[in-house]
Amino acid sequence: AQTVTQSQPEMSVQEAETVTLSCTYDTSESDYYLFWYKQPPSRQMILVIRQEAYKQQNATENRFSVNFQKAAKSFSLKISDSQLGDAAMYFCAYRAGTYKYIFGTGTRLKVLA
Amino acid sequence: DGGITQSPKYLFRKEGQNVTLSCEQNLNHDAMYWYRQDPGQGLRLIYYSQIVNDFQKGDIAEGYSVSREKKESFPLTVTSAQKNPTAFYLCASSMGAGTFLYEQYFGPGTRLTVT
Repeated sequence: AQTVTQSQPEMSVQEAETVTLSCTYDTSESDYYLFWYKQPPSRQMILVIRQEAYKQQNATENRFSVNFQKAAKSFSLKISDSQLGDAAMYFCAYRAGTYKYIFGTGTRLKVLA
Repeated sequence: DGGITQSPKYLFRKEGQNVTLSCEQNLNHDAMYWYRQDPGQGLRLIYYSQIVNDFQKGDIAEGYSVSREKKESFPLTVTSAQKNPTAFYLCASSMGAGTFLYEQYFGPGTRLTVT
């Protein structure tokens, strides 16, 4: 069965510093997509970044980048120059060839001023 | 602006009553989804629909029902058979199955409290 694991329930980072959130997944598929979603206190889910498994190049969106290690089935999110507005729950998600998205249990990120 | 709307934002019901949560999208997406989110847990899939007049059970469908009569709408009914209905409910949509390329878009959610 496909699973997504986020082993860090909570992380803290100092404002302007860099933090990395971990995500591992299990799948037998070769083609799939991976996502990081942010859920701020408003609880609106916002897409942060996505990665296509067939692409070797790691995705980047401004201060957000991923380290995608396909063989290790690892998909970590790096947030550079952390800002107070980055404080949120972050969910890692996986989608293969069907409709279904699998979500991790989330990592709560605290940003310290 | 295109997006997903869920109403109401907060909903209160007495135990034993059925309640319907609304979800509408104007993104022209084929697929729609309902998730339940409990404290400390990720999103759990209740139902999904890939096309109009078709839907499938997700991981926790017991005590819930849905309909998909229009592409834009995917209402969720929480029935009295659902043992622990108090939760935060999220509706989402995406391009249809078979298109690998697209992420899910989410509505703002409905917080249901049953007493």
